[in-house]
Amino acid sequence: AQRVTQPEKLLSVFKGAPVELKCNYSYSGSPELFWYVQYSRQRLQLLLRHISRESIKGFTADLNKGETSFHLKKPFAQEEDSAMYYCALSTAGGTSYGKLTFGQGTILTVHP
Amino acid sequence: EAGVAQSPRYKIIEKRQSVAFWCNPISGHATLYWYQQILGQGPKLLIQFQNNGVVDDSQLPKDRFSAERLKGVDSTLKIQPAKLEDSAVYLCASRHTGKVSSYEQYFGPGTRLTVT
Repeated sequence: AQRVTQPEKLLSVFKGAPVELKCNYSYSGSPELFWYVQYSRQRLQLLLRHISRESIKGFTADLNKGETSFHLKKPFAQEEDSAMYYCALSTAGGTSYGKLTFGQGTILTVHP
Repeated sequence: EAGVAQSPRYKIIEKRQSVAFWCNPISGHATLYWYQQILGQGPKLLIQFQNNGVVDDSQLPKDRFSAERLKGVDSTLKIQPAKLEDSAVYLCASRHTGKVSSYEQYFGPGTRLTVT
């Protein structure tokens, strides 16, 4: 069975500081990893996916299969980055394709 | 395109009562998911539909929870009878199967259930 762990429930940084949200996973197969974000009073939405290797809103995340990690990073945090961030894992195939297993989430607060 | 719609947005019931939630996915999205999100936790999948068929309901407490998607479009999730531990936000999500970017799930606003 797959599992996603986000060790930090809360993370506070000042504007302009680097930020890293940690995510570790356990899964015996080949996973797809995602970061979802929920801004205040908005819906949960996709931020980025490891396969696309994109930078969205300045955020990047690299899948490290050796350390089974998928940490989210941004070099200079902005106040509008304050939100709840969820790391999620999906199995790459099979009938349950697309089924997401979420971590517990990290609340990021960026202070002015 | 219109997003995933859910109703009601809030519901307060007493334990042992019944409750139903409704979800209308994005038009054309064949895959529909119901998640339960207990306060302080990440969403947990309850059931996944592909059109009107169940793909995965392994984490659905079938003694009290049921869900259907009869015409392969909108879906209803029911709890009967409710327990205190069912207090949570119930999220519906949909995904367009077949497109290149079909990995993305689109979430509704959720229904916040409080069982007293």
